Amino acid sequence: GNSVTQMEGPVTLSEEAFLTINCTYTATGYPSLFWYVQYPGEGLQLLLKATKADDKGSNKGFEATYRKETTSFHLEKGSVQVSDSAVYFCALSGASGSARQLTFGSGTQLTVLP
Amino acid sequence: ETGVTQSPTHLIKTRGQQVTLRCSSQSGHNTVSWYQQALGQGPQFIFQYYREEENGRGNFPPRFSGLQFPNYSSELNVNALELDDSALYLCASSLAVAGRYNEQFFGPGTRLTVL
Repeated sequence: GNSVTQMEGPVTLSEEAFLTINCTYTATGYPSLFWYVQYPGEGLQLLLKATKADDKGSNKGFEATYRKETTSFHLEKGSVQVSDSAVYFCALSGASGSARQLTFGSGTQLTVLP
Repeated sequence: ETGVTQSPTHLIKTRGQQVTLRCSSQSGHNTVSWYQQALGQGPQFIFQYYREEENGRGNFPPRFSGLQFPNYSSELNVNALELDDSALYLCASSLAVAGRYNEQFFGPGTRLTVL
């Protein structure tokens, strides 16, 4: 079945540091890949997505590239801010019958210190 | 445009009781999915409803059941509650057209505590 393996946290960085959160996946066919962010006490917000190999998703300074050869979708940001502190989830969407369910990784807690 | 809303925000039940959680989908969406997020874990897919029919189910027992109404809102029912059912329950809505499913938008969740 489908699965997502995500870099374990927590991750603590200083403001303006470079961020990488690793994500690899196992799936049949050609899944779509996502990064979601969850701020304290809130639901999930879509951060970025990529629907086919070599696509790069980007939003709010975050980027991730769909690498089919390495089955990876690592999240990067060149300069993090305190406001980026949150839990980040890597996810994939693959067909299961006719349902388009999301399979999530376990999440990475990011704390950015001023 | 109104986003996905869920009620109640928090709920405390005792083991063996039954609970109903509610979700209003985003305007224009016809598909609702439910996820269970245990503390410190990623969300786990429970099931999805499309046009009032269950359209896929994850690895959850039959005591987890649901409904979708003609206005595309949805309910999640859990019978015979167990301690391990304590979690954040997330609802997500999306628009499915001709077999293609678009982005899922999540509600803020219902925090269920089972004592």
